[in-house]
Amino acid sequence: DAGVIQSPRHEVTEMGQEVTLRCKPISGHNSLFWYRQTMMRGLELLIYFNNNVPIDDSGMPEDRFSAKMPNASFSTLKIQPSEPRDSAVYFCASSLGGPISYGYTFGSGTRLTVV
Amino acid sequence: DQQVKQNSPSLSVQEGRISILNCDYTNSMFDYFLWYKKYPAEGPTFLISISSIKDKNEDGRFTVFLNKSAKHLSLHIVPSQPGDSAVYFCAAAQGGSEKLVFGKGTKLTVNP
Repeated sequence: DAGVIQSPRHEVTEMGQEVTLRCKPISGHNSLFWYRQTMMRGLELLIYFNNNVPIDDSGMPEDRFSAKMPNASFSTLKIQPSEPRDSAVYFCASSLGGPISYGYTFGSGTRLTVV
Repeated sequence: DQQVKQNSPSLSVQEGRISILNCDYTNSMFDYFLWYKKYPAEGPTFLISISSIKDKNEDGRFTVFLNKSAKHLSLHIVPSQPGDSAVYFCAAAQGGSEKLVFGKGTKLTVNP
């Protein structure tokens, strides 16, 4: 089991550019989560999917952020246009779904720097 | 408004001693609590959890205590080892929801 795979590991981009972060969840997991970690706000949930359907996107900061899950093995988080305040570590996580007893499995994260 | 608070950004202990990490929450609807450990450049990894119907859960060197009346939980690590040095996150969920609300984390350093 390769775990949750995120790419790229690091991304440096200029303000105004489009950024796409990618995630491959663990096979068989039904739920997928996107979190953002910053010093000020800690780990905050942006959006989560269950069986490829977005369930809660209340944490998405604004319309510049969008997320898709076209199939059970792939999800993207897109920022367009990017701004310096979007600089953070973005984590993807997956779980079997249902009760949260065993928590999520997180990927290693994508460190985004917008200059 | 932070619903899960870890008021100590850092903690330093000697190897072999007990580490106690604290977490407070404000939402009385939370009924499941988890602790995650995070090493640099890695994602958080699940450590231990507790349901609100219990007040203690133990797994090897790790024990989580829950005080519902005080809306407080703590993670005890005994004995502490240098490999335990990491950032520890407290998280909470409510009503069977899959959404986890995280605290900001406490950086634990275990000195040899």
